[in-house]
Amino acid sequence: GQQVMQIPQYQHVQEGEDFTTYCNSSTTLSNIQWYKQRPGGHPVFLIQLVKSGEVKKQKRLTFQFGEAKKNSSLHITATQTTDVGTYFCAPIQGAQKLVFGQGTRLTINP
Amino acid sequence: GAGVSQSPSNKVTEKGKDVELRCDPISGHTALYWYRQSLGQGLEFLIYFQGNSAPDKSGLPSDRFSAERTGGSVSTLTIQRTQQEDSAVYLCASSLAWTGWEKLFFGSGTQLSVL
Repeated sequence: GQQVMQIPQYQHVQEGEDFTTYCNSSTTLSNIQWYKQRPGGHPVFLIQLVKSGEVKKQKRLTFQFGEAKKNSSLHITATQTTDVGTYFCAPIQGAQKLVFGQGTRLTINP
Repeated sequence: GAGVSQSPSNKVTEKGKDVELRCDPISGHTALYWYRQSLGQGLEFLIYFQGNSAPDKSGLPSDRFSAERTGGSVSTLTIQRTQQEDSAVYLCASSLAWTGWEKLFFGSGTQLSVL
């Protein structure tokens, strides 16, 4: 079955530093979604990537989908305290049930 | 409704008691998921409903856990003979359908504490 690894599990940065989380699948994906969960909150959809090599940006957030559609990354430039939370990838294979990566918990020192 | 609604928001119970957690998905959403999140941990898949199809129960951790979805809308997750390790936040999510292209909308969760 599909194996998903999301790294790192935790990341602590100084405000203003960059942050990257990676999601790696053992199998080729049809698409991938990213969600953010603020402390004490529930996951909220951020973005979906579909095409091989796709890059999408949302302000300071850059999402990439690998050429082989087996990995993805989320990069935040110049982190702000509002970026605190846990970022989950959700690798998708067609209509199979949605199983999330382990998540990367981001904390920021102001 | 405007969003996914879960009740109760908090539930404290004694070990060995049964609990029922309710999820009211967004109107018209045919796909419904239950996940469990222990403190500081990830989202553990429990069960998935899609329309009138048989649910995917592959994530239920034991036979003490069951879920149903009545009329294709409201879902109830039941935990029998609760144990302390069942303490967690139980999250429900829904989507229009599930073909792999829709996004999930999550409820605020039920915080279950088993004493």
